[in-house]
Amino acid sequence: DTGVSQDPRHKITKRGQNVTFRCDPISEHNRLYWYRQTLGQGPEFLTYFQNEAQLEKSRLLSDRFSAERPKGSFSTLEIQRTEQGDSAMYLCASSNPDREGYGYTFGSGTRLTVV
Amino acid sequence: DAKTTQPNSMESNEEEPVHLPCNHSTISGTDYIHWYRQLPSQGPEYVIHGLTSNVNNRMASLAIAEDRKSSTLILHRATLRDAAVYYCILNNSGGSNYKLTFGKGTLLTVNP
Repeated sequence: DTGVSQDPRHKITKRGQNVTFRCDPISEHNRLYWYRQTLGQGPEFLTYFQNEAQLEKSRLLSDRFSAERPKGSFSTLEIQRTEQGDSAMYLCASSNPDREGYGYTFGSGTRLTVV
Repeated sequence: DAKTTQPNSMESNEEEPVHLPCNHSTISGTDYIHWYRQLPSQGPEYVIHGLTSNVNNRMASLAIAEDRKSSTLILHRATLRDAAVYYCILNNSGGSNYKLTFGKGTLLTVNP
C-alpha cells in the first residue's frame, strides 16, 4: 500500500487557464475528500465522495470547480478559468469507516500557483 | 460542527515530554477526539484518536478528561522531527460530524 497519491505535486498556471488534479486513494478506502489549504491556515473541506457518489460540496466549491470519482477509484478536481485566489495547496484524503482506527490518510498535496 | 480550542503555539526542548492541550466543551457523546499533525510541505498525518479512555500508540498518548470536555496529546520524548502543526479535531464517521474540520492548530517548535 503506497498511501494516497496526488499528481502533480506542483502546478503553475496563468490566470484564466483550466487545471486538473488527480488523486489516487488507498484502494480499500471507499471515502475520498478534497481539501484546500492556504498559508497559515488549516485545511478547508471542499467535497466528499463515498464510492462514486459525491455526497457533499462546500460553499467554497464555486461553479468553476468540479470533482469526479468515476468507478469509485481515483478522483479528479478541475478548476476552470483559474483566478489568483485559487492559489493554494489542494489536499486529497481517503478513509474507510470500517477501519477508523487508522484515521484518514492524506496525500502530499498539489500546490497550485496562479500567475 | 463541534469546535475545539488549542493554543496557537508551544515550544519544547528535544527529548523532553510535550503536553498539547485541547478544549472541546461542546463535544457530543458520539464524537471521537482525533489528533493530526502536519509537517512543513506535507499533508496532515494521523496521530491518534480516542473516545473516552486514554489511548497509547507508537507515536503518542492521548489523555481524555473524565467529562470529555478536554484532552491532551502527549509526546513522551520530543524530537526535532516532531516540529509540526498539531490539530485536535472532533469526528464521528457515522454521524453529521463525519468530515474532519481543521482549525489553526498548535505550532510546536522543538529546540535542540
